[in-house]
Amino acid sequence: GQNIDQPTEMTATEGAIVQINCTYQTSGFNGLFWYQQHAGEAPTFLSYNVLDGLEEKGRFSSFLSRSKGYSYLLLKELQMKDSASYLCAVMDSNYQLIWGAGTKLIIKP
Amino acid sequence: DVKVTQSSRYLVKRTGEKVFLECVQDMDHENMFWYRQDPGLGLRLIYFSYDVKMKEKGDIPEGYSVSREKKERFSLILESASTNQTSMYLCASSLLRDSGANVLTFGAGSRLTVL
Repeated sequence: GQNIDQPTEMTATEGAIVQINCTYQTSGFNGLFWYQQHAGEAPTFLSYNVLDGLEEKGRFSSFLSRSKGYSYLLLKELQMKDSASYLCAVMDSNYQLIWGAGTKLIIKP
Repeated sequence: DVKVTQSSRYLVKRTGEKVFLECVQDMDHENMFWYRQDPGLGLRLIYFSYDVKMKEKGDIPEGYSVSREKKERFSLILESASTNQTSMYLCASSLLRDSGANVLTFGAGSRLTVL
């Protein structure tokens, strides 16, 4: 079967760095997405990786290793507004998205 | 600013009622999707549509139907609501098809409670 695993909840301190991991087993691979979802709001797109390596976008970076079925989202200089759930999703060989359950990130002052 | 609008943020219905959830996008996207989101589970695809009057079943279509009479509007219908359909429903749209770079734009969600 197809499976996406990510931690349920993480806690970090304002100003620090946090890494949210995502491992996957899917039928084929056409890219991996990270979305951010604040409580009660719509998920919003953060990043897309299809090749191995690190993609950097300001304070956020996303890494992919296809051979290991592994990705992480790295958030630097954490701000209180980064408190949200982070959703990992993989596009399989049929271009269907398989979603992880999301990681709730709590930022403490 | 691109937008996906879901008509109702919160609904409370009784078991057996017919429920309509409406979704409108203003981005001229071909593709539209309905997901449900439950605690501890990933987003689950109910139905999707790649064109007007076209629909495809997702992973959990049982108990649901959809309608896409116009490109910008995609409706989710619960013919006879049941308590296990209490959930957050998310509508999304996207521009590309069969492409890895198929970024979804989501609506804010409709939280349905069935009593």
